[in-house]
Amino acid sequence: GENVEQHPSTLSVQEGDSAVIKCTYSDSASNYFPWYKQELGKGPQLIIDIRSNVGEKKDQRIAVTLNKTAKHFSLHITETQPEDSAVYFCAASNSQGAQKLVFGQGTRLTINP
Amino acid sequence: DAGVIQSPRHEVTEMGQEVTLRCKPISGHNSLFWYRQTMMRGLELLIYFNNNVPIDDSGMPEDRFSAKMPNASFSTLKIQPSEPRDSAVYFCASSPDRGLETQYFGPGTRLLVL
Repeated sequence: GENVEQHPSTLSVQEGDSAVIKCTYSDSASNYFPWYKQELGKGPQLIIDIRSNVGEKKDQRIAVTLNKTAKHFSLHITETQPEDSAVYFCAASNSQGAQKLVFGQGTRLTINP
Repeated sequence: DAGVIQSPRHEVTEMGQEVTLRCKPISGHNSLFWYRQTMMRGLELLIYFNNNVPIDDSGMPEDRFSAKMPNASFSTLKIQPSEPRDSAVYFCASSPDRGLETQYFGPGTRLLVL
């Protein structure tokens, strides 16, 4: 089955700097890659996703890139703000197969003012 | 839209007791998922339903766990008997369609088994 590895497990950046979180996946049939943000005491919330037919997607300060050959994808947050502090999860799924999301272990991002 | 609703938000029980977690998915969503989150194992899918039918329960840890979805607006996850290692946050999520992977999570139920 699918296996998703996420790095780093913790990340601390200065406010205004950029943050990058990376994930690798094992199943070459996976074709959907969402990113979720989880704030303390809340459930994960989708912030951006990408499908395998594109290599990059951007939404304001957030972007995701996908390299299908290398089987890795990354989340980029620019001009970080204190409210970006949270745990971020990547995930992967195969819409033609099990259609289950397999999550990475999460990255705790801290934005230092 | 009220989003996915879960109850209770917190549950403290003693080992051996029965625990029932409840979920109301977003109206109109056809798929419902139950997850468990722990520090050691992260987010794990326990079971998911499509149109009220269980599709994959391979993540259910053992027979002590059972889930039902009697109608499109309600699901339960039951643990009987509960054990301390079941302590975790349990999330319910729903999705508009089986073919769409965007899942909307509820706020979770924090379970502590003493």
